[in-house]
Amino acid sequence: GENVEQHPSTLSVQEGDSAVIKCTYSDSASNYFPWYKQELGKRPQLIIDIRSNVGEKKDQRIAVTLNKTAKHFSLHITETQPEDSAVYFCAAKWVTGGGNKLTFGTGTQLKVEL
Amino acid sequence: DTGVSQNPRHKITKRGQNVTFRCDPISEHNRLYWYRQTLGQGPEFLTYFQNEAQLEKSRLLSDRFSAERPKGSFSTLEIQRTEQGDSAMYLCASSLEVAGGYEQYFGPGTRLTVT
Repeated sequence: GENVEQHPSTLSVQEGDSAVIKCTYSDSASNYFPWYKQELGKRPQLIIDIRSNVGEKKDQRIAVTLNKTAKHFSLHITETQPEDSAVYFCAAKWVTGGGNKLTFGTGTQLKVEL
Repeated sequence: DTGVSQNPRHKITKRGQNVTFRCDPISEHNRLYWYRQTLGQGPEFLTYFQNEAQLEKSRLLSDRFSAERPKGSFSTLEIQRTEQGDSAMYLCASSLEVAGGYEQYFGPGTRLTVT
């Protein structure tokens, strides 16, 4: 089955700096890669996703890149703000035949310091 | 609120008791998923439904766990003879996977504590 590894487990940045979280996946058939933000005690919220036919996607301060050859995808947050502090999870899914479940990474605790 | 809802939000039970959780998906979403999340970990897949059919179950879902989605709308997850290891957050998600829509939206979860 699919295995997703996520690094780093914790990340501390100064407000205004950029943050990068990296994930690797094992199943080359995976073709959908969402990112979720989870604040303490709240539900995971989908913040951005990318499909395997695209190499990069951007939404305001958030961007995701995908390298299918290396089976690697990353979340980039620019101009970080205190409200970006949360746990971020990457996930992978094989849409057409992999059972439709999301396989999640172990999460990155992002702390944006003033 | 038109998002995914779950009830109860918290449940404390004694070991050996049965518990049942409910999930109401986003209206008209055809797929419904159950995940379990323990502290410091990402959600782990348990099972999913397409309409009323349960199409996949994880090996994590022992025979003490059963899930239903009788009319293709809300779903229930029952745990029989609870064990302390069942303590976790149980998350429900739904999606409308037609015409390329893959996004899964999560509910607030039910936090189960088994004493």
